[in-house]
Formats: sequence, C-alpha cells, structure tokens
Amino acid sequence: NAGVTQTPKFRILKIGQSMTLQCTQDMNHNYMYWYRQDPGMGLKLIYYSVGAGITDKGEVPNGYNVSRSTTEDFPLRLELAAPSQTSVYFCASTPGLVLDEQFFGPGTRLTVL
Amino acid sequence: DQQVKQNSPSLSVQEGRISILNCDYTNSMFDYFLWYKKYPAEGPTFLISISSIKDKNEDGRFTVFLNKSAKHLSLHIVPSQPGDSAVYFCAASQVLAGGTSYGKLTFGQGTILTVHP
Repeated sequence: NAGVTQTPKFRILKIGQSMTLQCTQDMNHNYMYWYRQDPGMGLKLIYYSVGAGITDKGEVPNGYNVSRSTTEDFPLRLELAAPSQTSVYFCASTPGLVLDEQFFGPGTRLTVL
Repeated sequence: DQQVKQNSPSLSVQEGRISILNCDYTNSMFDYFLWYKKYPAEGPTFLISISSIKDKNEDGRFTVFLNKSAKHLSLHIVPSQPGDSAVYFCAASQVLAGGTSYGKLTFGQGTILTVHP
C-alpha cells in the first residue's frame, strides 16, 4: 500500500493562476480531507468528503473547490491563486470506522507570488 | 477563535527524561481528543487518542491525560528518546447525533519537541 499520495510536492504559482492539487489513496477509505497548514499554525480543514459524489465545506473553503468522482481520488482546485493561499496542503483519509484516526499524505508546499 | 491551543511553541528535554506536552480547549462540546506527531517534510501521523469518558489512555511510552473540568489534556512521553523529536499536534472533535464526527478535527498550533542525547 502506498497509502495517501499527493502531487506535486512543490509548486510556485503566480497570482491569478489556477492549479489542481492531486490526492490519491489506495486504502479504500470512504472519508477524505484537505487541510492547509500556515507557518506556526495548526492544520485547518478546507473541504472533506464522506464518499464518492459527496463533499462538504470545512473551516476555510473560500478560494478552493473539490470533487470526488471515485473513492480513490480527491483533487483540490485553486481557481485564482492569491498570496494568502501560500501554505502547505495536506490530504488525509480515514476508513470511516475509526473516524478520527486520519492517515495523511506528505503534503504539497505551494507558494503564490 | 482558537478553540484548541498549545501555548508552548517548543519544549526541550534530555534523553531518558519525561516530556510533557500540554493542550487546552475552549469548546465544551469536544468529546474526542487526539495527538499527532509530525516530522519535517512529512504528513502528521496518529499517535494516541482519548475519549471524553476516560481520563487516561496509555500506549507504551505515551500516555494522554484528560481533565474535562479544566478543559486540558496532556501527553506524557516516558522515557523520551531522540527519535521523538518532532512537532506534536493536539486535535479535537465533536461526535454528532448519530455517532459520527465525520472526522472533522480542530488542531492546535503544535509544539516542537527536541530530545537531546
């Protein structure tokens, strides 16, 4: 099992550009999450999904979109990048049985200039 | 509004001694608490958890204590080892009607633990 994989590892964007952060898990987990971590801060939930076709907003959803067409994939879309979106992004998943023990990917470090 | 707070940004201890990491919360509806450990350039990994119906949970060298009246929890690591050097995050969730929290966690800011040989 690769667990939770994220691509890319690093990315630099210009203001106004768009990009998609990819997240894939091979554990057949129903629940998936996107977090961002700003320097010196804890992780904040952006969006989450409880299964294919079902997504919902977390604490900081503005400026992002998600989709969940398969159990494995949960991409995060930034439409118009802003400097405030400079952060490290983590994707996580959990089977839904032990709901709160989440398995995290290695993260994507995004810089918006 | 920081509902979960880790007021110590860093902690330094000697190998073999006890490490105590603290966490306070303000939301009395939280009923499940977790600790995650994070190494540089990696995602967080789950360490230990505790339900609000307990006041202590132990797993090997790691013990979590919960004081609901004080809205305070702590993680004890005994004995501390250099490999324990990492950032430790406290997280909390609220189990909703129906018995699920949907895994929505609220994290503290983290405490950097350094264990010196």
